Amino acid sequence: NAGVTQTPKFRILKIGQSMTLQCTQDMNHNYMYWYRQDPGMGLKLIYYSVGAGITDKGEVPNGYNVSRSTTEDFPLRLELAAPSQTSVYFCASSPSLLSYNEQFFGPGTRLTVL
Amino acid sequence: AQTVTQSQPEMSVQEAETVTLSCTYDTSESDYYLFWYKQPPSRQMILVIRQEAYKQQNATENRFSVNFQKAAKSFSLKISDSQLGDAAMYFCAYGLSGGGADGLTFGKGTHLIIQP
Repeated sequence: NAGVTQTPKFRILKIGQSMTLQCTQDMNHNYMYWYRQDPGMGLKLIYYSVGAGITDKGEVPNGYNVSRSTTEDFPLRLELAAPSQTSVYFCASSPSLLSYNEQFFGPGTRLTVL
Repeated sequence: AQTVTQSQPEMSVQEAETVTLSCTYDTSESDYYLFWYKQPPSRQMILVIRQEAYKQQNATENRFSVNFQKAAKSFSLKISDSQLGDAAMYFCAYGLSGGGADGLTFGKGTHLIIQP
């Protein structure tokens, strides 16, 4: 299994541009998450999904959108990029049948908005 | 809302010695899980150890062990026989149990330096 994969690894955007961060998992996990990690900080939850067609906001959703059309994919859309969105973005997945919420992380995408 | 606090931004230890990283958390829930994640320079988040709140026994994984004090809401990580490969950022995280979809709440992290 490849686990959780994310593309791209790095990206530089200009202010006002848009982009989609891709996330795919091959573990048949129902739950998927997007986090952002600002310099010197822990991860903060942006959006999460409990299954195809169901998404919900996390702690810091403003400026982002998500969709979940399949179990495997959970893309994160940035509209009108701003310097405040410069961060490292992590996608994670979790099996829903377990009693604990252990999450498996992708390698991250480093995004810089100039 | 739950919060996780790591009060040590940076810790340094000699190779082969023991180091303890501190974590405190705040929650009104009684059933939850606590985690320590390691983040090396590669940025990959790696699960080090997990503790179920309903278990009194402290979790252990080889050289890694925790001291879980539920009443004090404290969850420290002890690394024995430190190795150069242990150098990384370490994050303490909290999550609700019950198979729910809630994300994890992370602390700000502790940068662990291993001196050869």
